[in-house]
Amino acid sequence: GQQVMQIPQYQHVQEGEDFTTYCNSSTTLSNIQWYKQRPGGHPVFLIQLVKSGEVKKQKRLTFQFGEAKKNSSLHITATQTTDVGTYFCAGPYMNNQGGKLIFGQGTELSVKP
Amino acid sequence: NAGVTQTPKFQVLKTGQSMTLQCAQDMNHEYMSWYRQDPGMGLRLIHYSVGAGITDQGEVPNGYNVSRSTTEDFPLRLLSAAPSQTSVYFCASSRQGAKEKLFFGSGTQLSVL
Repeated sequence: GQQVMQIPQYQHVQEGEDFTTYCNSSTTLSNIQWYKQRPGGHPVFLIQLVKSGEVKKQKRLTFQFGEAKKNSSLHITATQTTDVGTYFCAGPYMNNQGGKLIFGQGTELSVKP
Repeated sequence: NAGVTQTPKFQVLKTGQSMTLQCAQDMNHEYMSWYRQDPGMGLRLIHYSVGAGITDQGEVPNGYNVSRSTTEDFPLRLLSAAPSQTSVYFCASSRQGAKEKLFFGSGTQLSVL
């Protein structure tokens, strides 16, 4: 079946260090979405990538979509304590019922001040 | 505009009891879905719906039923609760389908004893 694998599962960094999480799909995706979940909260949409090789930036966050549209990464430059949370990637798998959005396992980021 | 509303926020059940988790959205979204979140497992799709009268199974549908009689509501029913269904449940909606960003409710923490 459809699978979205995400690594690492946990990442502990010192404030100011960089952070990267990687996402791989078992099949080619039409797009990849990224979400952030703060501790005790619900997932919140960050961004969507659609084009092969696409790179998008949101302040200190850089998102990439692979050339084959099967992998993606999120890189945070100079982490801050406000970056704490779990980051999920998600890919849509289309079918006759409109498709389903499958999430990776998430990467939990902790930042030590 | 309330977005996606889930009730209850917390629930404790005994094994074998049944209950319904409620989900309502006021954004006129066609696509609605239910996820469960367990430590280290990410967000796993239970059931989803692309419109009123249409539902389909996700990754982990066993033990759960859904129906979609209106665009606004998408309740999740546990017919006979089991300890393995202890989890945090999130309802989410999008405008048209799995390719679009999801808006999540605040979640229901369910414990089955």
